[in-house]
Amino acid sequence: DQQVKQNSPSLSVQEGRISILNCDYTNSMFDYFLWYKKYPAEGPTFLISISSIKDKNEDGRFTVFLNKSAKHLSLHIVPSQPGDSAVYFCAVIISSGSARQLTFGSGTQLTVLP
Amino acid sequence: KAGVTQTPRYLIKTRGQQVTLSCSPISGHRSVSWYQQTPGQGLQFLFEYFSETQRNKGNFPGRFSGRQFSNSRSEMNVSTLELGDSALYLCASSWTTTNTEAFFGQGTRLTVV
Repeated sequence: DQQVKQNSPSLSVQEGRISILNCDYTNSMFDYFLWYKKYPAEGPTFLISISSIKDKNEDGRFTVFLNKSAKHLSLHIVPSQPGDSAVYFCAVIISSGSARQLTFGSGTQLTVLP
Repeated sequence: KAGVTQTPRYLIKTRGQQVTLSCSPISGHRSVSWYQQTPGQGLQFLFEYFSETQRNKGNFPGRFSGRQFSNSRSEMNVSTLELGDSALYLCASSWTTTNTEAFFGQGTRLTVV
């Protein structure tokens, strides 16, 4: 039973346009959400996060939106650049006492076309 | 400041063998987590160690085990390898178990033949 779902395995966008990556989750008790980017042959790199008490967090070209009522998370990249081409994973933090677990979605391959 | 280091980078093993993977966290980080990445399943949580104690475990069989040493370095062991264990194994470190941001190593690509 997937707790975090990324329904689009791939997305292609023209350079300079907006990229929108989507993620749905099942548990309204999750309190922290993150996006990671992964290039081939490298480990995931943290991009941006958002707490459940917020609905938007911005960092340069990257903005994460959280819609708690819809249990939906999205990442906007504006403007998209060819170097943004990578697999993007959304993740949630599941905490239990002193234990913490990052649960990832299946990833979306973003291709930014020059 | 050195990042998370995983060794070896690539490994080929035969079914039935066992394998040990190593992870050195960023200096000062005390939490180490392990993940398995496969094309069909994405990134799946294996376990997390903090101060030499396993704090959390994912839904993997007992063939998958790990440990953490006093210097926070961690090892992951898989016994009686199966073809389906072929995957990229990623290690992530963070200051504590409550930190939100985890830093990943480049991973160990394990191929079971």
